[in-house]
Amino acid sequence: DSGVTQTPKHLITATGQRVTLRCSPRSGDLSVYWYQQSLDQGLQFLIQYYNGEERAKGNILERFSAQQFPDLHSELNLSSLELGDSALYFCASSVERKLGLQYNEQFFGPGTRLTVL
Amino acid sequence: EDKVVQSPLSLVVHEGDTVTLNCSYEVTNFRSLLWYKQEKKAPTFLFMLTSSGIEKKSGRLSSILDKKELFSILNITATQTGDSAVYLCAVENGNYGQNFVFGPGTRLSVLP
Repeated sequence: DSGVTQTPKHLITATGQRVTLRCSPRSGDLSVYWYQQSLDQGLQFLIQYYNGEERAKGNILERFSAQQFPDLHSELNLSSLELGDSALYFCASSVERKLGLQYNEQFFGPGTRLTVL
Repeated sequence: EDKVVQSPLSLVVHEGDTVTLNCSYEVTNFRSLLWYKQEKKAPTFLFMLTSSGIEKKSGRLSSILDKKELFSILNITATQTGDSAVYLCAVENGNYGQNFVFGPGTRLSVLP
């Protein structure tokens, strides 16, 4: 158990709908990362938040958005869902350290499996 | 564009064999390289490498980084069936916050 929790575990919805995935980082971790893992694309970095602020952006679609709240939990919002959005969505957390002092490892949550029908 | 390549993509061995997994990368501002093991669930952290030539070891697993040639290897000795998993290599780009690029993974199957 990594200490990162994600809800729900499974989500089945229809095309065109909107869903929200939730992540609670490990206690003390300030950074949250979202990843999408599909069979044909591997693990793709979507976005990172640090202490409530967006820190880095990867291959995240405009239909997707995320935020990190004051209690450090994060939500990933997926809208106008398409069949191709079906994937496993992971959240990971790490303790951000100052550049040049230490480096980070990420701890992954169990994932949310999204199925779009 | 940042890129991580892993080889082989798939590997089948028998218990007791030693395996070497390869990871090569291109990244604009290298910060670290990480290895993860992914079984049926979330990736679990194995190693983080930041300096060339320093081997990191954990039990039967070890890894080393060559920042000049831009690659890393993950060695597993005396493999066991429990080592069967996908091994992911990721590179951290320090340019804008922390951006992690993952390779496609090496699927290792260890037969009894």
